[in-house]
Amino acid sequence: AQSVAQPEDQVNVAEGNPLTVKCTYSVSGNPYLFWYVQYPNRGLQFLLKYITGDNLVKGSYGFEAEFNKSQTSFHLKKPSALVSDSALYFCAVRDMKYIFGTGTRLKVLA
Amino acid sequence: GAGVSQSPSNKVTEKGKDVELRCDPISGHTALYWYRQSLGQGLEFLIYFQGNSAPDKSGLPSDRFSAERTGGSVSTLTIQRTQQEDSAVYLCASSSPGGTALYEQYFGPGTRLTVT
Repeated sequence: AQSVAQPEDQVNVAEGNPLTVKCTYSVSGNPYLFWYVQYPNRGLQFLLKYITGDNLVKGSYGFEAEFNKSQTSFHLKKPSALVSDSALYFCAVRDMKYIFGTGTRLKVLA
Repeated sequence: GAGVSQSPSNKVTEKGKDVELRCDPISGHTALYWYRQSLGQGLEFLIYFQGNSAPDKSGLPSDRFSAERTGGSVSTLTIQRTQQEDSAVYLCASSSPGGTALYEQYFGPGTRLTVT
């Protein structure tokens, strides 16, 4: 069965520092992987996806994610965090329907 | 352009009553999904429609929940005999069948359901 794990409920990082939000997955076949962000009192927004091709994918707001097949991971990264990046981040895998992780709350401290 | 819309935005109902939640997807999107998000929690898959195929209902938590999609567009999620544990935000999403936005889900603002 498909599954997604986000091992950290919360990640705290200082503004200007690099950030990583972790995601690991379990799928049969080639994975289609996604990151979504939910800002306070706003709807879920697509950030980036991996379907095929380059392992490093770039998305909105300066975020990127690296697909690592051997480690079955798809960690979300940003070189320099902003306070405005504080939000709830969800990793997801698609196999006809989507399985979402439990979410990681990112808090960027000024 | 219009995004995914949902109505009502908020619904307060008494335990035991039936409710209907509506989702209007982006025009041309063949796939439509319903999710449930409890306060501060992750997304729980409920049901998935793809074109004219039979829907994937594997996520519906009980037979009190049902959904339909008319004409391949608007969808209605119905909860019969609501219970307090049904209180949550119900999210709808649609996605494109192709192009650069392939498989990207576009979410509506959600319907916050409160069962008293």
